Amino acid sequence: EVHLLESGGGLVQPGGSLRLSCATSGFTFNTHAMSWVRQAPGKGLEWVSAISAGGESTYHADSVKGRFAISRDNSKNTLYLQMNSLRAEDTAVYYCAKLGDPADWGQGTLVTVSS
Amino acid sequence: DIQMTQSPSSLSASVGDRVTITCRASQSIAKYLSWYQQKPGKAPNLLIYTTSNLQSGVPSRFSGSGSGTDFTLTISSLQPEDFATYYCQQSYSTWWTFGQGTKVEIK
Repeated sequence: EVHLLESGGGLVQPGGSLRLSCATSGFTFNTHAMSWVRQAPGKGLEWVSAISAGGESTYHADSVKGRFAISRDNSKNTLYLQMNSLRAEDTAVYYCAKLGDPADWGQGTLVTVSS
Repeated sequence: DIQMTQSPSSLSASVGDRVTITCRASQSIAKYLSWYQQKPGKAPNLLIYTTSNLQSGVPSRFSGSGSGTDFTLTISSLQPEDFATYYCQQSYSTWWTFGQGTKVEIK
């Protein structure tokens, strides 16, 4: 069974940094592209970042480009999201997801950006 | 970017009703369309992938159809546990995009 477990969320001040992790199990991690998706309070789903299976290619939404960086450690079956220069509008639940048909999602971790 | 337009944004229905939600893509996405159900405070739950494939454990009253740019989610007989928000999502490109959601409420 596929498991995705996000961690690293919390309260951070505007301008601060946070690193999210997504520990995975139940599938061959190094053969799947992965993504981060977020959901601001009371809002819809927004794709944030994606990374290829080997990590060579990364993609970021315009709203986070230059501030967020997605990465992965295939030896640890873990996905990361480094978030810098955080803004209030980055406040959201962040989900990691395994690309594929079907896709699999974690349960999310809450990031709150507030002074 | 591929834009996904979902309609309606909300609907009121009764238990036992047949409910249809539509999703339109700004360009062809072939069959790469998924549907999710989300309840308050919970992660999205995958219902259907690649247009019409039912995710394991999802009741057969849920079905999906379409291709290219126009897609439909149908709930054949609405049950009390189906009151939730539904999202479509394209996976044609690596950078996913989502519809704005359809909130299904009790009439």
